[in-house]
Amino acid sequence: SAVISQKPSRDICQRGTSLTIQCQVDSQVTMMFWYRQQPGQSLTLIATANQGSEATYESGFVIDKFPISRPNLTFSTLTVSNMSPEDSSIYLCSGQGLAGGNEQFFGPGTRLTVL
Amino acid sequence: QKEVEQDPGPLSVPEGAIVSLNCTYSNSAFQYFMWYRQYSRKGPELLMYTYSSGNKEDGRFTAQVDKSSKYISLFIRDSQPSDSATYLCAMRWPGGYQKVTFGIGTKLQVIP
Repeated sequence: SAVISQKPSRDICQRGTSLTIQCQVDSQVTMMFWYRQQPGQSLTLIATANQGSEATYESGFVIDKFPISRPNLTFSTLTVSNMSPEDSSIYLCSGQGLAGGNEQFFGPGTRLTVL
Repeated sequence: QKEVEQDPGPLSVPEGAIVSLNCTYSNSAFQYFMWYRQYSRKGPELLMYTYSSGNKEDGRFTAQVDKSSKYISLFIRDSQPSDSATYLCAMRWPGGYQKVTFGIGTKLQVIP
């Protein structure tokens, strides 16, 4: 099965700055997704990263805050913009389809702390 | 009401016990059901996947789906300390690439 890596694995950032998280899959996948996981809450889908077109955002998430790129079938980035302490969370990338199989599989996550 | 309800635990059991983890859901459109295991500071790992009502077994793990009651379960036999993790139920509509809805996860600790 395919494997996802994420960079950075963790970061501590200052309020008002931006952080870009990279997601790399070791084989081509049809779909890529970005999730947020906060303590005491279920995994929440931020957006679906579409190759060659704008990402599809879930209710409550907007492109200005979470711009996403997906230049090819193995790579995507998520930027958390103008960060506030409320953005402190684990951000997870997932893939599905082709070498990834029929169900979603996940990367190790990026643990973000905003001061 | 949340679409997927899952007791967050924590659940502590002695080594060798049978563990039962459960989720209920409200949307009858969900047709595919998954269980993910998430170790501390790791991403979720797909453990079991099932479509139809009934049981599906894989080693010490059994996934059970009761669509009439909108209830799914994961049983772990002969639990081991290495099973200590958070278990997330997940479900989606039929069709190739549908949004997955997750439960909050149940934290399990197996005590040696």
